[in-house]
Amino acid sequence: EAGVAQSPRYKIIEKRQSVAFWCNPISGHATLYWYQQILGQGPKLLIQFQNNGVVDDSQLPKDRFSAERLKGVDSTLKIQPAKLEDSAVYLCASSFWVYEQYFGPGTRLTVT
Amino acid sequence: AQTVTQSQPEMSVQEAETVTLSCTYDTSESDYYLFWYKQPPSRQMILVIRQEAYKQQNATENRFSVNFQKAAKSFSLKISDSQLGDAAMYFCAYRWGNKLVFGAGTILRVKS
Repeated sequence: EAGVAQSPRYKIIEKRQSVAFWCNPISGHATLYWYQQILGQGPKLLIQFQNNGVVDDSQLPKDRFSAERLKGVDSTLKIQPAKLEDSAVYLCASSFWVYEQYFGPGTRLTVT
Repeated sequence: AQTVTQSQPEMSVQEAETVTLSCTYDTSESDYYLFWYKQPPSRQMILVIRQEAYKQQNATENRFSVNFQKAAKSFSLKISDSQLGDAAMYFCAYRWGNKLVFGAGTILRVKS
């Protein structure tokens, strides 16, 4: 069974530029999560989708971050414009309803 | 709000020895799940072990076992016969419903 796929693995941008991350969940997983993991900290949930709909985006900085999940499968997370404090690893995870979350390899973003 | 605390930023263990990682959490819920995740330098979050709060029996997975003290809200991970491949960041996590909250992590170093 293929795992959660993410791309790119690494991205370096300058502040005020925009960036997008892509995630493909495990086939059949209705729930998809985006986490932000700042160096030295545990992952923090940014947004959670159930199929096409947003379940929880209470910690998403909506003035600069946006996310969508088209057709209930793939998802993209966008940052525009990026700030220095957005430097982090962005993890995507998926689960079959409320069961265990399976994580992708993450995207390391560096904002200079 | 649910919080997870890992008081040991870093731990070291000699190969083949046993090490225990500590975790405490705060919740007013009675039905929840607890997890230990391993994150090696590759950044892939790997589920190590899970514990259902309603189960009194401590979970065990091969060399990994937990000491779950529900009244004390404590959930420690014991790694027996430590191996070089166990070196990683370990995160304790609490799940209630679909929400997964992580601790700050403990770096485990294994010495040969």
